Amino acid sequence: QVRLVESGGGVVQPGRSLRLSCATSGFTFSSYGMHWVRQAPGKGLEWVALILYDGSNKFYADSVKGRFTISRDNSKNILYLQMNSLRPEDTAVYHCAKDQTYGDYVIDFWGQGTLVIVSS
Amino acid sequence: QSVLTQPPSVSAAPGQKVTISCSGGSSNIGNNYVSWYQHLPGTAPKLLIYDNNKRPSGIPDRFSGSKSGTSATLGITGLQTGDEADYYCGTRDSSLSAGVFGGGTKLTVL
Repeated sequence: QVRLVESGGGVVQPGRSLRLSCATSGFTFSSYGMHWVRQAPGKGLEWVALILYDGSNKFYADSVKGRFTISRDNSKNILYLQMNSLRPEDTAVYHCAKDQTYGDYVIDFWGQGTLVIVSS
Repeated sequence: QSVLTQPPSVSAAPGQKVTISCSGGSSNIGNNYVSWYQHLPGTAPKLLIYDNNKRPSGIPDRFSGSKSGTSATLGITGLQTGDEADYYCGTRDSSLSAGVFGGGTKLTVL
């Protein structure tokens, strides 16, 4: 079965960096687009980024563009999110999520998420 | 402020039917497929509807979706207490080249 396990969350000071990882199994990772979606405390879901199945194209929410970078290692079946210049408003649970196809914005499986707290 | 607009909450009695609306514009719902997700806090969200009205395997036919113009609707019939959750619509926004979600609707089964 599809399994998505996020790691790398924690408490970080504003302006610092953090890298999230998502270990995947149960599907052919290199054939599917992958997303990061976050949920701030008491708020709704916010789409963060998408990387196409082969890494050829990446798309970002305006709120993170220029600060976050999504990447993938298809040889290791791992998805990453490099987060730089973190702000308190980036505090959220970050979910790794699998696209239904190469990257058509239909998310068919989600991870449980990892909590990132940006605070001094 | 979400790009897609949903009512903050809806409620109905067990066994009844409820609908949840999702309103957008021509750059998102108007020209892209809509998905619906169920989310119980602390768990992974679940895909309920994709491509406006298709159900993944394992999703009961109590759940249905429709789209008209720049709005979409999720319908749930035969409400059960286990349906209490937050529901989100989502789609692609062609102008933003990004994914977008609605603000979420909390369903209470009275």
